[in-house]
Amino acid sequence: GAVVSQHPSRVICKSGTSVKIECRSLDFQATTMFWYRQFPKQSLMLMATSNEGSKATYEQGVEKDKFLINHASLTLSTLTVTSAHPEDSSFYICSADHYLRSTDTQYFGPGTRLTVL
Amino acid sequence: AQSVTQPDIHITVSEGASLELRCNYSYGATPYLFWYVQSPGQGLQLLLKYFSGDTLVQGIKGFEAEFKRSQSSFNLRKPSVHWSDAAEYFCALDSGNTPLVFGKGTRLSVIA
Repeated sequence: GAVVSQHPSRVICKSGTSVKIECRSLDFQATTMFWYRQFPKQSLMLMATSNEGSKATYEQGVEKDKFLINHASLTLSTLTVTSAHPEDSSFYICSADHYLRSTDTQYFGPGTRLTVL
Repeated sequence: AQSVTQPDIHITVSEGASLELRCNYSYGATPYLFWYVQSPGQGLQLLLKYFSGDTLVQGIKGFEAEFKRSQSSFNLRKPSVHWSDAAEYFCALDSGNTPLVFGKGTRLSVIA
């Protein structure tokens, strides 16, 4: 089946630094990728929708200058958390939308745990 | 390791008919459980969640789900399906210490 990977799986960084998280669709093309943030014991929060070759669409309340999203190819989207602060510590999950909408289209990455010290 | 199984990849129901989407989980303790819906090209939308307490949970859009510990299940139900309910439905588990574990999803088609 289709696989979505995320790298790194875990990252610890100092406050004020930037962290890049990659989301890759390994064996299919994804015209759309979604980035989610998961708060402990709460539901997933959609951060942004990333379309290949165009600017990401951010959800209300998400700072686009802080969470930079780039979807440079049909198999790769990146999320960069700029000037990270401890309150940015969270799980970040991506999902990829298979370009063949007639199939089981949505595949999730395993998540990236970000800890900001 | 925890896991979520949605046995049905695709279900087709007639508009107005009742619906039940199955979800089984594997986890050593009582999990937090969610149902999400995703329309084509959209992000996930939370339908309902179970944390504790009453095992019958009411959600948005007329959906409900029942947590059954003895069966390790959290099935989603709706008494009367509308054409707008056609979408992908995901069951998810939160053990509190890892990212959400999702089922593979069930695609719902609604016919007239």
